[in-house]
Amino acid sequence: AQSVTQLGSHVSVSEGALVLLRCNYSSSVPPYLFWYVQYPNQGLQLLLKYTSAATLVKGINGFEAEFKKSETSFHLTKPSAHMSDAAEYFCAVTFGNEKLTFGTGTRLTIIP
Amino acid sequence: GAGVSQSPSNKVTEKGKDVELRCDPISGHTALYWYRQRLGQGLEFLIYFQGNSAPDKSGLPSDRFSAERTGESVSTLTIQRTQQEDSAVYLCASSRRGGGLSEQFFGPGTRLTVL
Repeated sequence: AQSVTQLGSHVSVSEGALVLLRCNYSSSVPPYLFWYVQYPNQGLQLLLKYTSAATLVKGINGFEAEFKKSETSFHLTKPSAHMSDAAEYFCAVTFGNEKLTFGTGTRLTIIP
Repeated sequence: GAGVSQSPSNKVTEKGKDVELRCDPISGHTALYWYRQRLGQGLEFLIYFQGNSAPDKSGLPSDRFSAERTGESVSTLTIQRTQQEDSAVYLCASSRRGGGLSEQFFGPGTRLTVL
């Protein structure tokens, strides 16, 4: 069965510092991978997705993620954190079927 | 409206009562999903509707949970004889078409509290 693991349920970074949110997947076939963000009191929205084209994927708000097959990872990064990045981030995987399997989420806190 | 809407936004009920949660997807979206988000946990898939196909109910946790969808529009998630462990945020999402690659657009959720 497909699954994703997000390491670290809470991550705190200083404003201006690098953001790194980790996601590892389990799969025996090539996956499609997603990052969603949930701002306080809002629904989830898509940040970016990997669909077997370029391994480095750029998303909204300066975020990007790199698919590394050898490491079964799809970590999310942003070079310089902004206060508005405070939110919960979810990694998700599918193998082309209808269901996304979500990780447990990482709550990102930005320290002024 | 332009996005997915859900109602009510909050629902408090007593254990044993039935509740109905409503989802209005984006117009023209053929696929609709329900998820449950318990406190401190990830999103748990519940059910998926795609056009006129039989729904994928494989995520429903018990027979107390059911959902209906009228054509390609409104969906209702019903929980009968609610239990305290049903307390969660219930999220609805729709996508233009089915399949894992079609971006899902989420509603704001319904926060259900079972006392």
